[in-house]
Amino acid sequence: AQSVTQLGSHVSVSEGALVLLRCNYSSSVPPYLFWYVQYPNQGLQLLLKYTTGATLVKGINGFEAEFKKSETSFHLTKPSAHMSDAAEYFCAVSDQVQFYFGTGTSLTVIP
Amino acid sequence: GAGVSQSPSNKVTEKGKDVELRCDPISGHTALYWYRQSLGQGLEFLIYFQGNSAPDKSGLPSDRFSAERTGGSVSTLTIQRTQQEDSAVYLCASSLAGQKETQYFGPGTRLLVL
Repeated sequence: AQSVTQLGSHVSVSEGALVLLRCNYSSSVPPYLFWYVQYPNQGLQLLLKYTTGATLVKGINGFEAEFKKSETSFHLTKPSAHMSDAAEYFCAVSDQVQFYFGTGTSLTVIP
Repeated sequence: GAGVSQSPSNKVTEKGKDVELRCDPISGHTALYWYRQSLGQGLEFLIYFQGNSAPDKSGLPSDRFSAERTGGSVSTLTIQRTQQEDSAVYLCASSLAGQKETQYFGPGTRLLVL
């Protein structure tokens, strides 16, 4: 069975500070891992994904995530937060049949 | 349009009534998905269409929920005898065949059942 846990439903950071959004997964098969961002009143937009190969993946808007199999984690980071990063972030795992989403983390950026 | 579109954007209905939610996928995308996003919860998979194959209905929460996809394009999600717990945002996504990992999401339909 597949599942995703996002630690922290709300995260606040100061503008310019490091962003770290945590995601741990459970998967009975080699997972595909994803981060999506949802801006207010909009659909989900793919930030980045890991399928195979390099474990550090870079996405749009300066975000990146590292797949750590030993820790079953796929944390999302960005070195310097921008006001426009304020949104809801969802981690997801796929067993190549279905997608399983976490409950989301709301990121607030403080000026 | 270039993206996935959904209608209506908002729907308020009374308990017990039926509702229909529409999804127009990106042109050429043969795969289409429906998800439900409830307050404080992640996205819950409902149903998946791929081309002309039989849909994967494993995520539908009850027999009050059904979906169809006509002509391999537009999809309609129908909820019969709505209940208050059906209130949620219903998201549709589409992808190219063989690229299931890259789904493009619509803006969703916000359903409120009074």
